[in-house]
Amino acid sequence: GQQLNQSPQSMFIQEGEDVSMNCTSSSIFNTWLWYKQDPGEGPVLLIALYKAGELTSNGRLTAQFGITRKDSFLNISASIPSDVGIYFCAGQETSGSRLTFGEGTQLTVNP
Amino acid sequence: DTAVSQTPKYLVTQMGNDKSIKCEQNLGHDTMYWYKQDSKKFLKIMFSYNNKELIINETVPNRFSPKSPDKAHLNLHINSLELGDSAVYFCASSQDGFLGPLHFGNGTRLTVT
Repeated sequence: GQQLNQSPQSMFIQEGEDVSMNCTSSSIFNTWLWYKQDPGEGPVLLIALYKAGELTSNGRLTAQFGITRKDSFLNISASIPSDVGIYFCAGQETSGSRLTFGEGTQLTVNP
Repeated sequence: DTAVSQTPKYLVTQMGNDKSIKCEQNLGHDTMYWYKQDSKKFLKIMFSYNNKELIINETVPNRFSPKSPDKAHLNLHINSLELGDSAVYFCASSQDGFLGPLHFGNGTRLTVT
């Protein structure tokens, strides 16, 4: 089955810095999703991407669907302490196929 | 209003016991799931039900038995609990199959001693 490699596994940054994380797959995906999991809670959808090359923003978050359809990127600008959490990418090979999750990126923001 | 709610939030029990986790969604979704998150935070699908019918059953021990009385509820019963069952279990739902993003509950942290 397909695999998703998410990197980095963890990041320690200072408040105000920009953050970038990415996911790559071994096969072509037609949907990429980015989730955030706060401590003690379930993952919450941040951004959904459905077209190759698509660039979508949600506040300080920007995600891109890679042109090769095998990768996706999430950027967070001007990080703040509440950005702390685990960020997961998830992808689908075809519409309606099961989601595959990345291993997550643990983000720590130092005030 | 909580979209996907699961109970209990914490469950501490001894090896060999039987326990259940309940899940309810008020989103009107047709599909519900159980995911297991291990200590490394990896999310692994266990089961999926679409309109009360089982559509995904991953390689999960028979001790785990999902039950969906209606499309808004998906409960998870675990028999003869083992130490390795300790994890966070998430319920989730989506519109119709994997069409549309998943909405997760807040998880049940199961600790088996």
